[in-house]
Amino acid sequence: ETGVTQTPRHLVMGMTNKKSLKCEQHLGHNAMYWYKQSAKKPLELMFVYNFKEQTENNSVPSRFSPECPNSSHLFLHLHTLQPEDSALYLCASSPSKAAGGVGYTFGSGTRLTVV
Amino acid sequence: AQSVTQLGSHVSVSEGALVLLRCNYSSSVPPYLFWYVQYPNQGLQLLLKYTSAATLVKGINGFEAEFKKSETSFHLTKPSAHMSDAAEYFCAVSDSRGKLIFGQGTELSVKP
Repeated sequence: ETGVTQTPRHLVMGMTNKKSLKCEQHLGHNAMYWYKQSAKKPLELMFVYNFKEQTENNSVPSRFSPECPNSSHLFLHLHTLQPEDSALYLCASSPSKAAGGVGYTFGSGTRLTVV
Repeated sequence: AQSVTQLGSHVSVSEGALVLLRCNYSSSVPPYLFWYVQYPNQGLQLLLKYTSAATLVKGINGFEAEFKKSETSFHLTKPSAHMSDAAEYFCAVSDSRGKLIFGQGTELSVKP
């Protein structure tokens, strides 16, 4: 399988649940990103990983916990979420964090609903 | 610092009409510029990109964009809209460290 794959595609969770989002890329890229996309709001960059190291955390609440065990996999662990965390969560990858001319490859996203 | 402004959060055209989505950028270095398309409940898909070669860039699905340095613009066009073009479109610029900065997005509606 090629490209960036995100699982699950849809997730409904209660505020006290713990769940994880998974992102996998088979492009040989070394940088991976988590974005949040809420209705009627711009894309929000949450985290950046480059060669497995977190290089950016844009003031994301601690109830979101990222993990990057290797350059091909990225997780977003979720716990004690709020209804306003309901959104489309997008994963992206690029050859490296500094690959300005290449752009990012995005997954199809996970639609998260917090009830 | 790099930034992107997309003029118009929503554009509506009739099927067969010209599509014009506007993007202006600010960059202190020669920019790399991108247009992405997002269909409902999908991720972003690269339409086309400018990387300092030809100023007129052709992309997928009949879209093209022209880089105009004097106007700091990178507008997206398509001569004839199709119903399947209805989606959200994002312009992006790469900053000096290679990170993509996205615009707010423009939702394109196509009327029959």
